[in-house]
Amino acid sequence: SQKIEQNSEALNIQEGKTATLTCNYTNYSPAYLQWYRQDPGRGPVFLLLIRENEKEKRKERLKVTFDTTLKQSLFHITASQPADSATYLCALDGGNTPLVFGKGTRLSVIA
Amino acid sequence: DARVTQTPRHKVTEMGQEVTMRCQPILGHNTVFWYRQTMMQGLELLAYFRNRAPLDDSGMPKDRFSAEMPDATLATLKIQPSEPRDSAVYFCASGLVGVYGYTFGSGTRLTVV
Repeated sequence: SQKIEQNSEALNIQEGKTATLTCNYTNYSPAYLQWYRQDPGRGPVFLLLIRENEKEKRKERLKVTFDTTLKQSLFHITASQPADSATYLCALDGGNTPLVFGKGTRLSVIA
Repeated sequence: DARVTQTPRHKVTEMGQEVTMRCQPILGHNTVFWYRQTMMQGLELLAYFRNRAPLDDSGMPKDRFSAEMPDATLATLKIQPSEPRDSAVYFCASGLVGVYGYTFGSGTRLTVV
C-alpha cells in the first residue's frame, strides 16, 4: 500500500538557519507533490506544487526538490524565522487519484 | 480571497445522533475532498469528488458515513449514528487538479460524547 513518511515528527532549528524537511514515499507514482503549512486550530495552507518532470521549485525563502528515482522530496526554508514555526505536510497527488498526506513535521524556530 | 466555507465550526453531540457537516467549495473548482484529522492518524482521506461525481470513498466507514455533492456549491458529510471515536476535526478542500494546490476550509471540530 502507499506510504508517505516525513523524516521526523519534530524539528528544532535556530533562527536564521536553513530548515530542511524530508518526505519519502513508496508504492506511488505521483504526478504532483505538494507542501502545505498548518498552524494549530487551522486548516492546511498550500505552499508549493512541483510536477514529476520538475527537479526544483522556489518561492521566496522556500525551495522544494523532487527526485522521482529516490522517491523523495526535500523542503527547505532559508533564513528561518520564529514565524515559520508550524507543522509542514507533504502531499502526493496522482492526478486521477486523491491527494494523500504524510503525518507532518512540526518545525520550531528558536530565536 | 476566495475561501472554502465549512459549517458548523464546532459540534458537540451525543452518541447515536446524526451529524451533518457542510462545505461550500470555491466556485470553479472541480475537485472536492473530505478529510478527518486526529493527533494519532493525521489527515485521513474520507471522500473525493471530481465534477461532483464520487471517485473514491474507500477511506470512509460505509455503514455510518455518507458523502454527497447535491450541486456544485455544496458538499455534505453525514454520520449516522455517531460514535465517540468519530471525534475529530473534519476538513473539506477544493481545487483544480494539477493547476495549483488545494484550498482547505477552517474545519468542523466534532465531539461525540
